[in-house]
Amino acid sequence: SQKIEQNSEALNIQEGKTATLTCNYTNYSPAYLQWYRQDPGRGPVFLLLIRENEKEKRKERLKVTFDTTLKQSLFHITASQPADSATYLCAPNNAGNMLTFGGGTRLMVKP
Amino acid sequence: DGGITQSPKYLFRKEGQNVTLSCEQNLNHDAMYWYRQDPGQGLRLIYYSQIVNDFQKGDIAEGYSVSREKKESFPLTVTSAQKNPTAFYLCASGTGVDGREQYFGPGTRLTVT
Repeated sequence: SQKIEQNSEALNIQEGKTATLTCNYTNYSPAYLQWYRQDPGRGPVFLLLIRENEKEKRKERLKVTFDTTLKQSLFHITASQPADSATYLCAPNNAGNMLTFGGGTRLMVKP
Repeated sequence: DGGITQSPKYLFRKEGQNVTLSCEQNLNHDAMYWYRQDPGQGLRLIYYSQIVNDFQKGDIAEGYSVSREKKESFPLTVTSAQKNPTAFYLCASGTGVDGREQYFGPGTRLTVT
């Protein structure tokens, strides 16, 4: 069955460091993959979309990579700030062109 | 002020009652979606609609029903047949019919006792 794995343990880093979050998927080949940010008690907010033919995508301090051979996407936040603390969800599209969301990784940036 | 609105923010119901959650968008998006989120888990797709008067079941449609009579509105009814209705419900809309770049509402937290 299709499966998306994100580290369920919180990632704690110091302000100014680079945060790296991992998303692994199995048993399907998404045409694209999205990353969303979710704050407690709120709806997710779209951050970035990367297509299968793109290796890397950047937006300000955010960088996403997409390795279709490893079936993995990495999400990086450089020069992290306490305001970046949130849960980050990855969402590859599936065969029906709908999204499947991972459980998310909680990021805590300490000042 | 453009966006997606969901109401109410918190909803309490007794077991055995049907309840309807509201979702409205003024983004002129064709596609709309309903998700359910349980504590510590990802979003699971309940229903989606790519055009007015048409909708499709998602992964966990049993015990739920929807309608799409207007482009702006996509209400979700949680019926008494839904075995575990207590959850955080999120509505989203998007321009593409393939699920990309979705805009989410603030969510409705439903508690059924």
